[in-house]
Amino acid sequence: AQSVAQPEDQVNVAEGNPLTVKCTYSVSGNPYLFWYVQYPNRGLQFLLKYITGDNLVKGSYGFEAEFNKSQTSFHLKKPSALVSDSALYFCAVSRGGSQGNLIFGKGTKLSVKP
Amino acid sequence: DSGVTQTPKHLITATGQRVTLRCSPRSGDLSVYWYQQSLDQGLQFLIQYYNGEERAKGNILERFSAQQFPDLHSELNLSSLELGDSALYFCASSVGADTGELFFGEGSRLTVL
Repeated sequence: AQSVAQPEDQVNVAEGNPLTVKCTYSVSGNPYLFWYVQYPNRGLQFLLKYITGDNLVKGSYGFEAEFNKSQTSFHLKKPSALVSDSALYFCAVSRGGSQGNLIFGKGTKLSVKP
Repeated sequence: DSGVTQTPKHLITATGQRVTLRCSPRSGDLSVYWYQQSLDQGLQFLIQYYNGEERAKGNILERFSAQQFPDLHSELNLSSLELGDSALYFCASSVGADTGELFFGEGSRLTVL
């Protein structure tokens, strides 16, 4: 069965500092990996995805994620955090090529302080 | 704006009642997904339709049902409602059946009293 783990419920970062939100996954076959962001009282917005190719994926709003097959991880990163990045971040996986539905992690609340 | 429209945005009802949530996907998208978001369960996949046919089923209760109509809009029917059904219900859509890149609506917040 597919699963996603986000080990941190909350990540606190000072504005201007780099941020990392962690994600590990378990899936049979080749994973399709995603990051979504949810602002209060809003739907989820797509940030980036990894399907194949370069392990470093660049996405929206300056975010990037690194796929590590040996560690089954897909951590979200940003070199310099903004206060406006404060939101709930979800990692998700699908069994690429056979399933479109996403299995989401529990979410990590990112708080960026000025 | 994702292009996915959900109605109603808020709904308050009583236990034992039945409600219908409606979703219009992005123009051109053939797949519709329903997710339930609650504090204790997180985001749970309920069901997926592709071009009118059920494609995948997740943790959907027997009291819940869904369908996708010829114009590709979808409805999620929740019956015999219980307090624990209170949650945010999201609809999402995608172009294909297995791309995994979903576009989410703003959600329908259901409160069961």
